[in-house]
Amino acid sequence: NAGVMQNPRHLVRRRGQEARLRCSPMKGHSHVYWYRQLPEEGLKFMVYLQKENIIDESGMPKERFSAEFPKEGPSILRIQQVVRGDSAAYFCASSLGTNDGYTFGSGTRLTVV
Amino acid sequence: AQSVTQLGSHVSVSEGALVLLRCNYSSSVPPYLFWYVQYPNQGLQLLLKYTTGATLVKGINGFEAEFKKSETSFHLTKPSAHMSDAAEYFCAVSEGNQGGKLIFGQGTELSVKP
Repeated sequence: NAGVMQNPRHLVRRRGQEARLRCSPMKGHSHVYWYRQLPEEGLKFMVYLQKENIIDESGMPKERFSAEFPKEGPSILRIQQVVRGDSAAYFCASSLGTNDGYTFGSGTRLTVV
Repeated sequence: AQSVTQLGSHVSVSEGALVLLRCNYSSSVPPYLFWYVQYPNQGLQLLLKYTTGATLVKGINGFEAEFKKSETSFHLTKPSAHMSDAAEYFCAVSEGNQGGKLIFGQGTELSVKP
């Protein structure tokens, strides 16, 4: 089992471009979570998805950010019209159930120039 | 609302010394509690978790934590630090029946001196 796979590991975007971050959960895991980590800070919850459904998006900014977890394929976190403040490490995690503890991916480090 | 407070953003110990990383939480319902470790440029790895049952929880790499409801604490300990324990440690809380969202503390960076 390859674990939670995130790609790309590093992503550089110019201001105004779109960033697409991908996350393939562990085999058999149907719960996916996205977190953002800013330098010197802990992880901030963004969104919780199950297959084809957004369960909790209370941590998502109201504009420019969206997430999906289609029936087939990886979960995608999309950031439109990126700004410098979007620069951060974005982590995806998956779990078998809601209280099993997560398995984290290695993250995507987004740099907006 | 749930919250997690980790006392001390940086902790330094000597190799072989006791490791104590503090975590206090607030939760309106019985919590599920977790400790994660993060090595540089990597994701988070689960060290241990408390859901129900025995309040002293043993995890990987010789770490353990004790859930103390009266103190709303879940401190992480290890009797003897090793150089490889140097990393960032995060405490997290989940309100069990409210879905899987975890609320993380700010993290404690552990340094181990030879």
